[in-house]
Amino acid sequence: AQSVSQHNHHVILSEAASLELGCNYSYGGTVNLFWYVQYPGQHLQLLLKYFSGDPLVKGIKGFEAEFIKSKFSFNLRKPSVQWSDTAEYFCAVNSVSGNEKLTFGTGTRLTIIP
Amino acid sequence: DTGVSQDPRHKITKRGQNVTFRCDPISEHNRLYWYRQTLGQGPEFLTYFQNEAQLEKSRLLSDRFSAERPKGSFSTLEIQRTEQGDSAMYLCASSQGLYLTGELFFGEGSRLTVL
Repeated sequence: AQSVSQHNHHVILSEAASLELGCNYSYGGTVNLFWYVQYPGQHLQLLLKYFSGDPLVKGIKGFEAEFIKSKFSFNLRKPSVQWSDTAEYFCAVNSVSGNEKLTFGTGTRLTIIP
Repeated sequence: DTGVSQDPRHKITKRGQNVTFRCDPISEHNRLYWYRQTLGQGPEFLTYFQNEAQLEKSRLLSDRFSAERPKGSFSTLEIQRTEQGDSAMYLCASSQGLYLTGELFFGEGSRLTVL
């Protein structure tokens, strides 16, 4: 069975700081990887995804993530955060074996101080 | 609004009562998913439909839980004889297929509080 670990439960940064949120997964086969974001009072929405190819993927709002297969990691980064990035961020994995199930991590709450 | 809609947004019930949640997916999406999210946790997969067929169910979905998607459009999730442990946010999502688009579109959820 697959699992996802997000070690940072709550991160507090000042505007313009750089961001890196950790995500590690556990699964023996090939996976698809995702980051979802939930802004306050809103529904979950896709930030970016990795299926194959270039391990550095770019998403919306200046976010990017790098898939490092040897480390089973898919960390989320942004060079300069804004107050509007305050949200909860979830890493998720889907095994490439025909199922439609996403396994989510426990999430990281990001608070940006103006 | 043409997104995924869920109803009711919040339900408070007494232990032992039955509750039903409804989800209306994005109209062109043939796949519909139910997830459950408790405080401090990420969403956990419950079940999914392709059109009207329920293709996968999690072991989290005990026999008190039943989901349907008649005619492949809206879906209902019923919980019978609710327990306090059922208190959670129930999320519905739809897609054209995780493998096709890699994206689930989530609704805002139905929050269940069991007293």
